[in-house]
Amino acid sequence: QQQVKQSPQSLIVQKGGISIINCAYENTAFDYFPWYQQFPGKGPALLIAIRPDVSEKKEGRFTISFNKSAKQFSLHIMDSQPGDSATYFCAAVMNNNAGNMLTFGGGTRLMVKP
Amino acid sequence: DAGITQSPRHKVTETGTPVTLRCHQTENHRYMYWYRQDPGHGLRLIHYSYGVKDTDKGEVSDGYSVSRSKTEDFLLTLESATSSQTSVYFCAISWATEAFFGQGTRLTVV
Repeated sequence: QQQVKQSPQSLIVQKGGISIINCAYENTAFDYFPWYQQFPGKGPALLIAIRPDVSEKKEGRFTISFNKSAKQFSLHIMDSQPGDSATYFCAAVMNNNAGNMLTFGGGTRLMVKP
Repeated sequence: DAGITQSPRHKVTETGTPVTLRCHQTENHRYMYWYRQDPGHGLRLIHYSYGVKDTDKGEVSDGYSVSRSKTEDFLLTLESATSSQTSVYFCAISWATEAFFGQGTRLTVV
């Protein structure tokens, strides 16, 4: 049973367009929600993250929107560029005696066409 | 890659053989994790460690064991590899709220 559901699985966007990836979670014990970006042959790398007491966080062209009551959050990539083509994972983090336990969504493969 | 080295980077092995993957960190961090990545499943936690000789199971631990005899090394062993264990394996360390991943090991079981 996947505790974090991510959609869509793949996304094609034209250069300059907006890419939107959505995630939903079930466990209200999660206390941190990061997004990871992964290029082929590399490990995932932290892109941007948000805490549940904040509804939006923006860093450059990347914005997380968070809806605590709906248990949903999304990543918006404004002015998408070919260099943004990668796989994106949302995650939910629970901090306990095992450190930061990450539960990942299934991933979205983004292709930005020039 | 935050001082995380995985070895080997690629391996092909036969069904039924034992395989050990190594993760080495230079950051002296307490928490280390092994994930596997499969299409449509994201990354799933196999085992984790919260200190030397302190390990526990994750979501998909069946068929895997781990050991951590030194802070810097975390080993993942497939006792008898099966085709369902063909995957990309990532080691990670974490501190504060962030996790940092190695470059992965692509394992193919034939």
